[in-house]
Amino acid sequence: GQQVMQIPQYQHVQEGEDFTTYCNSSTTLSNIQWYKQRPGGHPVFLIQLVKSGEVKKQKRLTFQFGEAKKNSSLHITATQTTDVGTYFCSSNAGNMLTFGGGTRLMVKP
Amino acid sequence: NAGVTQTPKFRVLKTGQSMTLLCAQDMNHEYMYWYRQDPGMGLRLIHYSVGEGTTAKGEVPDGYNVSRLKKQNFLLGLESAAPSQTSVYFCASSYSGGLAGELFFGEGSRLTVL
Repeated sequence: GQQVMQIPQYQHVQEGEDFTTYCNSSTTLSNIQWYKQRPGGHPVFLIQLVKSGEVKKQKRLTFQFGEAKKNSSLHITATQTTDVGTYFCSSNAGNMLTFGGGTRLMVKP
Repeated sequence: NAGVTQTPKFRVLKTGQSMTLLCAQDMNHEYMYWYRQDPGMGLRLIHYSVGEGTTAKGEVPDGYNVSRLKKQNFLLGLESAAPSQTSVYFCASSYSGGLAGELFFGEGSRLTVL
């Protein structure tokens, strides 16, 4: 089964609203990676978090790794229509990289 | 620099037929992976390889076989296709596993089994 669980599965927002997706695990994770997949496209790497409590920013995107390394979040400030897509978290279990179920973000202009 | 290339991009099979999906990467990556993506299920790992000549099972390996005879190629085979194998298949590669394991994905292969 999946090592990481993501919530929510879907999110509709009005353009300009904020958006957050959460990734949770029952076990301590060695790292968290985040990917974005545009409709009809393939997943594209966004970022990797490794350290407990780590926070990284990419323009309007803020990524956090929990202190216990069991959860992570991706927050988008003031969403734009270009943010539409599915956001996945993933984590290593040995040499295997397993993915959460993803959060599909839909933005109304 | 093509990155990760998958062929074919689309295929329709009848139940019981066999086929092979080819993945090629030109980044000299050691690690290669095959995932399948179904609606609401995210990406599930089928098989992976940590180097030429090696393969290992992922989360959902049943019904699939793989080979990594050359470092740049990773083949996914379906010996007897079933409707449950209708899916979008993604190949990915990475320089290494573990903490440096950013994955580069191909554009996907959409397989329909009738």
